[in-house]
Amino acid sequence: EVVLTQSPGTLSLSPGERATLSCRASQSVSSGHLAWYQQKAGQAPRLLMYDTSARATDIPDRFSGSGSGTDFTLTISRLEPEDFAVYYCQLFGSSSHTFGQGTKLEIK
Amino acid sequence: QLVESGGGLVKPGGSLRLSCAAAGFDFGHYTMNWVRQAPGQGLEWVSSVSSNSISLHYADSVRGRFTISRDNVRNSLFLQMNSLRVEDTAVYFCARESVGGHYDDDSGYEYYYYMDVWGKGTTVTVSS
Repeated sequence: EVVLTQSPGTLSLSPGERATLSCRASQSVSSGHLAWYQQKAGQAPRLLMYDTSARATDIPDRFSGSGSGTDFTLTISRLEPEDFAVYYCQLFGSSSHTFGQGTKLEIK
Repeated sequence: QLVESGGGLVKPGGSLRLSCAAAGFDFGHYTMNWVRQAPGQGLEWVSSVSSNSISLHYADSVRGRFTISRDNVRNSLFLQMNSLRVEDTAVYFCARESVGGHYDDDSGYEYYYYMDVWGKGTTVTVSS
């Protein structure tokens, strides 16, 4: 089973700064099987990115995704106050859909 | 568009049946999933069922104890949870799985997947 490891566990930044979140797979995966979600406290997750780099509906263009093989990145170009949340990557496997452990993006 | 119900307090070894009511989309055309989140923890995928109920998948942590099912006439998804353990305590979300595809010059036709519609969740607490 493929394991997803996200880093860092916590990222402390200020509004206006650039955030780079990493998701590493234990073996090579298809880019189409990698998605990213944002979750705020007490809320359901919200789809951000799919197919590694495609933004979901209504997601602003300050969010971007990249990567291939085992290394994937979610970048937020200029942090807005509403972006501080927990972010998860997810792999759609043939028989399981694994999540990474999450990266908490907090205000510095 | 997705509303979960059926959560509650149950003793270890007990059973519970969760439901997820869908509205606003063609439920019968989508694979559906259950995802859970223990208190203060991350997301854990639990189970999925294909649109025609032929393909069922489970996380190792619940296989043999949980059963996923669906009723496409009633636009509903279910999770029967038996032999519940303290570690099954979590908020349980149902989520719609969508699929698309595009042609890639190097690898041919490529599919992509994502969970784009989520319920607000129902809380399951397993405690004596």
